[in-house]
Amino acid sequence: QVQLVQSGAEVKKPGASVKLSCKASGYTFTTYFIHWVRQAPGQGLEWMAIINPSTGGINFPQKFQGRITLTRDTSTSTVYMELSGLRSEDTGTYYCARENMWNHDYWGQGALVTVSS
Amino acid sequence: QTVVTQEPSLTVSPGGTVTLTCASSTGAVTSDYYPNWFQQKPGQAPRSLIYSTSNKHSWTPARFSGSLLGGKAALTLSGVQPEDEAEYYCLLYYGGDQRVFGGGTKLTVL
Repeated sequence: QVQLVQSGAEVKKPGASVKLSCKASGYTFTTYFIHWVRQAPGQGLEWMAIINPSTGGINFPQKFQGRITLTRDTSTSTVYMELSGLRSEDTGTYYCARENMWNHDYWGQGALVTVSS
Repeated sequence: QTVVTQEPSLTVSPGGTVTLTCASSTGAVTSDYYPNWFQQKPGQAPRSLIYSTSNKHSWTPARFSGSLLGGKAALTLSGVQPEDEAEYYCLLYYGGDQRVFGGGTKLTVL
């Protein structure tokens, strides 16, 4: 069965970086894009980025320019998302989701990131 | 900056019908925006219900349907059940791999 299993909760200080992982199983890793989506406490969903696991190509909104890095390891079917320059507004739950042909069907369980001094 | 707008909240009676909409600040939503709809319950990850305007997953209850309505994407629930109480989000595609979520609609079944 398809699964996206994310790494655990993180607590970081302002200005630090966090690197989250999303390990895929149950399907051919390189045939689905992986998205990252976050949700601040009590707020809505925010689309953060997309990576093509086959090519490594990435895209993300301008607001994350200079702060976000996406990588993948095809040998372990894992995607990584690193966010730097953390601030309190980055506190929230981070989800990965797979997508093919605009169908974002399976999601990870989410990882809580807390940014606090 | 592109804004996707949903009704902040809606209330429906059990067994009733309700339509949630998803509008784009760029103009009419068409099938080229590949609207997706997600359901999220407290403490859970979002669950995909509809993709590419009206396509359902094997797990999507038959009472959920997606469409385009008056220049917006729409999600209609017919014969609402108490377990449908949740937050619903739409997602639109803007080309160049860019996507934007709507602000969400809190659906209350009362």
